[in-house]
Amino acid sequence: EVQVVESGGGLVKPGGSLRLSCAASGFSLSNYRMNWVRQAPGKGLEWVSSISSASDYIYYADSVKGRFTISRDNAKNSLYLHMNSLRAEDTAIYYCARDLPGLCATDCYFDYWGQGTLVTVSS
Amino acid sequence: EIVLTQSPATLSLSPGERATLSCRASQTISSYLAWYQHRPGQAPRLLIYDASNRATGIPARFSGSGSGTDFTLTISSLEPEDFAVYYCQQRTHWRTFGQGTKVEVK
Repeated sequence: EVQVVESGGGLVKPGGSLRLSCAASGFSLSNYRMNWVRQAPGKGLEWVSSISSASDYIYYADSVKGRFTISRDNAKNSLYLHMNSLRAEDTAIYYCARDLPGLCATDCYFDYWGQGTLVTVSS
Repeated sequence: EIVLTQSPATLSLSPGERATLSCRASQTISSYLAWYQHRPGQAPRLLIYDASNRATGIPARFSGSGSGTDFTLTISSLEPEDFAVYYCQQRTHWRTFGQGTKVEVK
């Protein structure tokens, strides 16, 4: 069974840092582009970042560019999001999501998601 | 940025009724649109991709249509588990989502 499980969320002060992890099971992470998507309280979904299977193509939303870094360890079947200079507006549930395979040359849809990990930025 | 506008914000229906959800794009996106179901506390679930293709394991009561700027998700007969929030998402220019339509029990 395909599963992705996020961890690492918590309460952090403005300006602080946090690292989120996503553990994949039931498939080999090395074959897929992966993403982070977030949902702020009472708001809709927002794509945050994506990373290609070999880490050669990495993209960020303008709202996090220069502050967040996505990375992966295919040997550990894991995805990460390093978040620095956190702001109150970064408060959200962060989801790890897999790109639908075999359909798109670039940006695609998300076929498997985790249940998310909550990040709260507050003093 | 391509903005997706979903309507209505809330749809109040009874089990067994038909649900029709709309998603309008601020510029043409061909058929590059997906629909997701999101129940509270659960992982979002891909229902429809490329406007009209059901994802693996999705029941036939879910159908999608449209192209260009106007898209529709139809649930032919609501089951109890279908009461949730539904999002559309485009992949033409980066990836953006609509703000969601909540389907609630009347």
